[in-house]
Amino acid sequence: DVKVTQSSRYLVKRTGEKVFLECVQDMDHENMFWYRQDPGLGLRLIYFSYDVKMKEKGDIPEGYSVSREKKERFSLILESASTNQTSMYLCASCSSGALSEKLFFGSGTQLSVL
Amino acid sequence: AQRVTQPEKLLSVFKGAPVELKCNYSYSGSPELFWYVQYSRQRLQLLLRHISRESIKGFTADLNKGETSFHLKKPFAQEEDSAMYYCALSGQGAQKLVFGQGTRLTINP
Repeated sequence: DVKVTQSSRYLVKRTGEKVFLECVQDMDHENMFWYRQDPGLGLRLIYFSYDVKMKEKGDIPEGYSVSREKKERFSLILESASTNQTSMYLCASCSSGALSEKLFFGSGTQLSVL
Repeated sequence: AQRVTQPEKLLSVFKGAPVELKCNYSYSGSPELFWYVQYSRQRLQLLLRHISRESIKGFTADLNKGETSFHLKKPFAQEEDSAMYYCALSGQGAQKLVFGQGTRLTINP
């Protein structure tokens, strides 16, 4: 079974802190994604990557950056955390090509910014 | 632009009753559509995709291009169907999946 592992299940940070969310997948997938999940808003794409060192902005990239130095790891960075970034963050991966292949999701990181 | 709309945030039905979760989309090309489900304390996972024309856990969904809809249906709801359901769309050759707002389905005993 594909495993997408997010390093933290819960995180509490202070406003202005730099925050790193880590995601690792073990199935040699080319594509990796970061979404945030908010009640009533569904899943919104922050950033995605289709190859090492490649990144593309999603629908809500403001206040975030990403890093993909190795194929299996995709990091989400909050440069200066703000309270409106309190959310559930989901990482996902899939194999290359058009997205007729299913996404595999991590279990999520619930981030609270105080 | 790609957009997915799920008009119902909450849906509650009784066990054994039919269920229909609505999904409408906006996309000028030929879409690929999916339903994802998240059960309590579990990861988000794929339920079904329109290209497979499959029935999973008794659920089916038909793509209606005229009405730009991809509603999820089940004739007889079961308590274990209680979950959060998301409709999602991928454009032709696209590298990203766009999700709807989600519908929380509750099956009452």
